[in-house]
Amino acid sequence: DAGVTQSPTHLIKTRGQQVTLRCSPKSGHDTVSWYQQALGQGPQFIFQYYEEEERQRGNFPDRFSGHQFPNYSSELNVNALLLGDSALYLCASSLVLVFGSTNEQFFGPGTRLTVL
Amino acid sequence: DAKTTQPPSMDCAEGRAANLPCNHSTISGNEYVYWYRQIHSQGPQYIIHGLKNNETNEMASLIITEDRKSSTLILPHATLRDTAVYYCIVGSSGSARQLTFGSGTQLTVLP
Repeated sequence: DAGVTQSPTHLIKTRGQQVTLRCSPKSGHDTVSWYQQALGQGPQFIFQYYEEEERQRGNFPDRFSGHQFPNYSSELNVNALLLGDSALYLCASSLVLVFGSTNEQFFGPGTRLTVL
Repeated sequence: DAKTTQPPSMDCAEGRAANLPCNHSTISGNEYVYWYRQIHSQGPQYIIHGLKNNETNEMASLIITEDRKSSTLILPHATLRDTAVYYCIVGSSGSARQLTFGSGTQLTVLP
């Protein structure tokens, strides 16, 4: 049973560029959440996707956008990259048990983004 | 979601029990306590969660005080592989759709 997978593992971009990160959820899971983790800090919630729609969003600007596909995989897009966007980007998947409720989240290994 | 307070760091001898405290004095009645850990350079890993009763699984035990204002995660026989940052998180409605991570506790298991 494959867990949560993310690609790429590492990425280097320059300021102003755009980046797309990808996530495949754990088998059987239908909900994907994205988190940003700056060095030395805990992960910060970006947004969550369920049924191909953004359901919840944290305090992140519109430069951060996402998408969920029919197979439940997801992408995180960041436009106009800033130096401060350098971080580990984590994807987590879960299963909706009843509306508004999910089980525990399973995290992928993350994508390390460096903005120069 | 309620805020949590954890000590920034703790040490534990290998083979001994590691007891990690968490304060969540503003927890509301329908909020669960979740524990995750993050080993260096990996994604966080779910450990255990509970509402009001003590819980135990293959990884750890969770002790929640009767007033639910604090809890303790117990790793009964810590190993070097348990060295990690441990996060105590409070989430509502039996789930944690949006996990709010604090700074966590850096647990170092010493040989």
